[in-house]
Amino acid sequence: ETGVTQSPTHLIKTRGQQVTLRCSSQSGHNTVSWYQQALGQGPQFIFQYYREEENGRGNFPPRFSGLQFPNYSSELNVNALELDDSALYLCASSLRFMGTQYFGPGTRLTVL
Amino acid sequence: AQTVTQSQPEMSVQEAETVTLSCTYDTSESDYYLFWYKQPPSRQMILVIRQEAYKQQNATENRFSVNFQKAAKSFSLKISDSQLGDAAMYFCAYRSAPPLSGGGADGLTFGKGTHLIIQP
Repeated sequence: ETGVTQSPTHLIKTRGQQVTLRCSSQSGHNTVSWYQQALGQGPQFIFQYYREEENGRGNFPPRFSGLQFPNYSSELNVNALELDDSALYLCASSLRFMGTQYFGPGTRLTVL
Repeated sequence: AQTVTQSQPEMSVQEAETVTLSCTYDTSESDYYLFWYKQPPSRQMILVIRQEAYKQQNATENRFSVNFQKAAKSFSLKISDSQLGDAAMYFCAYRSAPPLSGGGADGLTFGKGTHLIIQP
């Protein structure tokens, strides 16, 4: 059974740029959730995708967007990067409403 | 909105001893799930234990057990026979139960975490 994977591991961008982060869900899982974890904080829920549609969002602006593909993998896109977007971005996969969320190793984004 | 509070930013315990990490939460819901996750320096969030609110029996997983007090909205984690590999950040998390309609998201709400140090 393959676990949740994320790419890239690290990323450095400058303010105003756009970034795409990728996540492959665990085998058999149909739901992907994205979280932002600022340094020294707990993760904050960004949004969740199920059946290729966003079906819930936390308190994040529209410049945070995503996609889910037919194989349940997912992308997180962030436009117009701000310094405060520097964080660890975690992806978690699960069976919708049925199970525990399993996390990937995260992508560390630094915005200069 | 639900909130999760972890009042201990850091805890220290001697190897082989027992330590308890505290977590309280605020919700108006009657059915929900609670989790403890561990995040070592490698950053990957690892599930430690899960508790369904409708179950009165406290969950246990080997050396890890919880004390779930629903009325007090308290969910503490006890680690017995602490090992060096237990050193990590520990996060308490809340998730709503699935709605009967099947709609909406089931994102987790996390506390700020407790840094657990194991003294050899």
